[in-house]
Amino acid sequence: AQKITQTQPGMFVQEKEAVTLDCTYDTSDPSYGLFWYKQPSSGEMIFLIYQGSYDQQNATEGRYSLNFQKARKSANLVISASQLGDSAMYFCAMSFLISSGSARQLTFGSGTQLTVLP
Amino acid sequence: NAGVTQTPKFQVLKTGQSMTLQCAQDMNHNSMYWYRQDPGMGLRLIYYSASEGTTDKGEVPNGYNVSRLNKREFSLRLESAAPSQTSVYFCASSRQLDTQYFGPGTRLTVL
Repeated sequence: AQKITQTQPGMFVQEKEAVTLDCTYDTSDPSYGLFWYKQPSSGEMIFLIYQGSYDQQNATEGRYSLNFQKARKSANLVISASQLGDSAMYFCAMSFLISSGSARQLTFGSGTQLTVLP
Repeated sequence: NAGVTQTPKFQVLKTGQSMTLQCAQDMNHNSMYWYRQDPGMGLRLIYYSASEGTTDKGEVPNGYNVSRLNKREFSLRLESAAPSQTSVYFCASSRQLDTQYFGPGTRLTVL
């Protein structure tokens, strides 16, 4: 069974500093994807970054980078130069093939509430 | 280009009432999904449609039905609502095996 664990229910960071949000996963599938989504207080789910299980290099998207350590089964999100608008809930998710292999299911962690302090 | 849209945004039902949540996407995606999010938890998959004409159960399908009306639209129906179905419902879409993009969600309360 696939499982995502986020052990930090809440995190605080000072504006302009970097912050790392932790995510560990468990799967026996050789092919999977790892995602981070941001959910602000308005409620929508915003895709941030993706890492494939076969990707050699860590993914980066602007101020977001994914620290992928396959042997440790971790996929931490690093946000550099935090901004007040980064305050939100952050979810780590893993995708895996379902049924006939024609679609992917996302399994989500319980989330980390990030608060950026001015 | 609206992405994924959902209606309604909010709904209050009484136990036993029925309703349909609507979802549409304009990204020409093949796959569509319905998730629910309960307080303090991540999203859980209710049903999905890998392509037009197909639907399958996800992790928590009991009490729900779905219809893939066409490539753009995927609806979720609650036949007899129960308080346990109070949740926020998200629709998502993707190209076959790619990143899923989510709609704004529907906040449903069942009294």
